[in-house]
Amino acid sequence: EDQVTQSPEALRLQEGESSSLNCSYTVSGLRGLFWYRQDPGKGPEFLFTLYSAGEEKEKERLKATLTKKESFLHITAPKPEDSATYLCAVRGGSNYKLTFGKGTLLTVNP
Amino acid sequence: GAVVSQHPSRVICKSGTSVKIECRSLDFQATTMFWYRQFPKQSLMLMATSNEGSKATYEQGVEKDKFLINHASLTLSTLTVTSAHPEDSSFYICSVSRQGGIRGYTFGSGTRLTVV
Repeated sequence: EDQVTQSPEALRLQEGESSSLNCSYTVSGLRGLFWYRQDPGKGPEFLFTLYSAGEEKEKERLKATLTKKESFLHITAPKPEDSATYLCAVRGGSNYKLTFGKGTLLTVNP
Repeated sequence: GAVVSQHPSRVICKSGTSVKIECRSLDFQATTMFWYRQFPKQSLMLMATSNEGSKATYEQGVEKDKFLINHASLTLSTLTVTSAHPEDSSFYICSVSRQGGIRGYTFGSGTRLTVV
């Protein structure tokens, strides 16, 4: 069974204070690791898909990296508008099912 | 990416009644849609996979007679919560995938169901 563990559960940063979120996973035959952002009362918003160890992707202040056991979401010089819950999910095997972690609640104070 | 519309965004119903939630794929034909449920501070849990023109595939522990899924067209899937009870109160979210997930998964805006 695929498993995803995200840490920390919550993270509070000052504006401009860079940090990283962790996503550890176990999956049978990784077919994609996904990062989403979720605002309160909203559906997840797609950020990145990573497929193989060593792959990196960037978007504005966010950078996602992938190893064989974990993924990191690096946030550089965050702004208050980056405050949200960040979700990690994996797709494994031959089906379309995504397995999600519980998310990291990020709060960026001005 | 795909555009997914979910309706209603929130609904309050009385215990014992049924509630229908719609999920529409606005810009492409989705043969497969997914229904998730999310409890506060918990991860999204896949409830079922909705297949156009055939029966939905339910995850273990999800009652198919309680959560009725209909995927009658390539752009619309519906989830009906039958005989709702307070413990069914949750955030329900649909999702579509493009090219079997190769082009990612797009989520609807979610439906907050409260059963009183």
